[in-house]
Amino acid sequence: DQQVKQNSPSLSVQEGRISILNCDYTNSMFDYFLWYKKYPAEGPTFLISISSIKDKNEDGRFTVFLNKSAKHLSLHIVPSQPGDSAVYFCAASAGTSYDKVIFGPGTSLSVIP
Amino acid sequence: ETGVTQSPTHLIKTRGQQVTLRCSSQSGHNTVSWYQQALGQGPQFIFQYYREEENGRGNFPPRFSGLQFPNYSSELNVNALELDDSALYLCASSQKSGPYGYTFGSGTRLTVV
Repeated sequence: DQQVKQNSPSLSVQEGRISILNCDYTNSMFDYFLWYKKYPAEGPTFLISISSIKDKNEDGRFTVFLNKSAKHLSLHIVPSQPGDSAVYFCAASAGTSYDKVIFGPGTSLSVIP
Repeated sequence: ETGVTQSPTHLIKTRGQQVTLRCSSQSGHNTVSWYQQALGQGPQFIFQYYREEENGRGNFPPRFSGLQFPNYSSELNVNALELDDSALYLCASSQKSGPYGYTFGSGTRLTVV
């Protein structure tokens, strides 16, 4: 039973355009959401997070939107750059101690120069 | 500030053998979580250790066990290895009260033949 879903295994975007990565979750107890980026042969690195009390969080080129009623969140990257090419994992946790973070299967983003 | 270090980076074991993977947590972090990432999938939570005690466990059999030491480093032990145990094993450290998620190591690639 996959609690965090990323239904697009891959995404290709032209450099300078917007990248939108989507994530859906099933567990209504999740109250903290994170996005991680992973390059080959490296561990995932934290990108941006959002608490369930917010519906938007922005950090430079990266914005995460949360729609609690739809149990859906998305990561927007504007403008996309070739260095953004990586696998992006959506993750969620329940409780402020961030225990047992649950990851989605990932979306591989390719930004084409 | 040192990051999370995992050893070894690669390992080949025979089915039925036992393996120990090691992780040094980031300075200032007191919590270590272990994840298994099979090819093409997201990281799956194995267990978490906080102050030398198991603080949560995912859907993995008892032959997956762990330890955390007073310096917050950790070991993952897997007994009676099976072919399906072949995966990338990721260690992540965090501050239990921290809001920014995990810091991951680069992982140990385990191949069971």
